[in-house]
Amino acid sequence: GAVVSQHPSWVICKSGTSVKIECRSLDFQATTMFWYRQFPKQSLMLMATSNEGSKATYEQGVEKDKFLINHASLTLSTLTVTSAHPEDSSFYICSARDYEGAGYNEQFFGPGTRLTVL
Amino acid sequence: AQRVTQPEKLLSVFKGAPVELKCNYSYSGSPELFWYVQYSRQRLQLLLRHISRESIKGFTADLNKGETSFHLKKPFAQEEDSAMYYCALDSGNTPLVFGKGTRLSVIA
Repeated sequence: GAVVSQHPSWVICKSGTSVKIECRSLDFQATTMFWYRQFPKQSLMLMATSNEGSKATYEQGVEKDKFLINHASLTLSTLTVTSAHPEDSSFYICSARDYEGAGYNEQFFGPGTRLTVL
Repeated sequence: AQRVTQPEKLLSVFKGAPVELKCNYSYSGSPELFWYVQYSRQRLQLLLRHISRESIKGFTADLNKGETSFHLKKPFAQEEDSAMYYCALDSGNTPLVFGKGTRLSVIA
């Protein structure tokens, strides 16, 4: 199946700094990517839908200015956590859909990035 | 609005026992349903989808539109089945809607 990568796999930063997480679709083009947040032993919470060449669509309650999303190309989306605070510590997961034309389109997930804010 | 409900947060079964992970959905259209699995320290991956009617790793799931359910079943659980299982609904060109997940623990 298609592969989605994330970089870095983990990051530790000081409170107040910004952190950028990259999500790449390695062998397919993804016009749409998704960013999720997962707390320990909990389900994925959709943060935003990243659309190539246009603004991201954020879910209710997600701060747009806090979590900046850029989808500059068909294979790359970035999530920047600005002025990170300890409560932003979490596991961030991206995914991308590989459209097979009409009908079914599987969503592939990256391995996730663990962010720890001190 | 679309909604996926997984009523059990944790399900513990003995090795060799049958397993059923429940999933109910709410959607007015014609849904596509999936089961995703997340093994410890691994990424989320697709287990099976209802349209293909496959059996993956011994798991099957039948879409019951009358009961709006898509329960995941396996006749004989194995230790390696221990993982988080997520039921998901696809309503078209929108993000997948996930249930809260069920942690399956298979006891030797």
